[in-house]
Parts: sequence; C-alpha cells; structure tokens
Amino acid sequence: DAGVIQSPRHEVTEMGQEVTLRCKPISGHNSLFWYRQTMMRGLELLIYFNNNVPIDDSGMPEDRFSAKMPNASFSTLKIQPSEPRDSAVYFCASSTGHSSGNTIYFGEGSWLTVV
Amino acid sequence: GESVGLHLPTLSVQEGDNSIINCAYSNSASDYFIWYKQESGKGPQFIIDIRSNMDKRQGQRVTVLLNKTVKHLSLQIAATQPGDSAVYFCAALNSGYSTLTFGKGTMLLVSP
Repeated sequence: DAGVIQSPRHEVTEMGQEVTLRCKPISGHNSLFWYRQTMMRGLELLIYFNNNVPIDDSGMPEDRFSAKMPNASFSTLKIQPSEPRDSAVYFCASSTGHSSGNTIYFGEGSWLTVV
Repeated sequence: GESVGLHLPTLSVQEGDNSIINCAYSNSASDYFIWYKQESGKGPQFIIDIRSNMDKRQGQRVTVLLNKTVKHLSLQIAATQPGDSAVYFCAALNSGYSTLTFGKGTMLLVSP
C-alpha cells in the first residue's frame, strides 16, 4: 500500500499568496483528516471528511482556510491569503471509518513556510 | 472537551534499557487510545492501540497499559534501541466525537 500521499512536501511562499496542499488517502479509506502541527500547539485537527462530506470543520482557524474533497481519492486544503503564522506542518490522514478501532494513518506532511 | 497530556516532555535512556512513556486523559468517555511515533521530518506512525475494554495489550517490544480508574495509559518499550529515538504521542478517541485528540508528545532520546 502506498500510504497517504501528500504534496508538496515543502513549500515556501510569500505572505498574501494562495497555498494549496493536496492529499491522496489510502485506497478504500472513507475518512480523511487534515491536521496542523506546530511546536506551540502540537497536533490540531482542522477538518475531517467522511465519505467525501465535511463532518467537523470546527478546527479550521478562520475563513482564510478551506478544504474540499471532490472524490474519494483526493482532497485539498487551501489557505488564501497566507500569513506567516500559518507556517506549520500540515498532515493529511485517513482511516476506514471514524469510530473506535479504525486506525488513522498519516502522510509524511507538507512543510509550509510563509515569509 | 478532550484533553490529553503527557507527564514528561523528554525522556533520556540508555540503549538496552526499558522505557516507559506516560499519558493522562481527561474525558472518561474516551474508549480508544493510540500511541504514535514521530521521527524527525516524518508523519506520525501508528505503534499500538488499545480499546477501553482492555487494560493491557502487547506488540513487538511494546506494551500499552490502560488504567481507566485514573485515566492513565503508558507505553512501555523493551530493550530500547537508538532507532526508537523519536517523539511519542498518545491519542484518545471519544467515539461520540469520532476524532482523535493528541497529547503534546514526549521526546525519547536513546543513547548508545
């Protein structure tokens, strides 16, 4: 299994620019999660989808952040406009469900630096 | 809400020692727990999980203990190796919320 695939692995962008992070979940997984990791706040859940439908987006910081899942094999997290405080590692993860016992598998992350 | 925390931010051990990483959770409704290992520059990697109807589960060189009475779980690594050096996260799931809440992480440093 290829695992969860994220792109880009690293991105450096200027403040105000649009950033789009991409994720391909593990085939057959119907739940997809976007997390953000920083030294100060650790791993924070931004949003999760079940069967391509956003279930909980309460972790999305503000309107500058948006996420979509147009089909079962692809999701995007977009930041527009980006700000320096958005610098973090963004992880996508997937699982076979969203109940107990369904292990969540993480991608390698997208390392974002906004200057 | 769920709050998951770790007792020690850094744990230093010698190669061959047994390591114990502790974690406390606050929500008694949590019913599934996972330990993840995160190496530098990589995503969290699943190590072992345990459901709330169990108090112990063993894997290869790892054991997770769950004490629901005091809302505490631990990860024991036997014969720790330099390759075990990483940050370890515990995570708790309340099936009613359907999402994992992660602790801040403990860095394990293994000296040869």
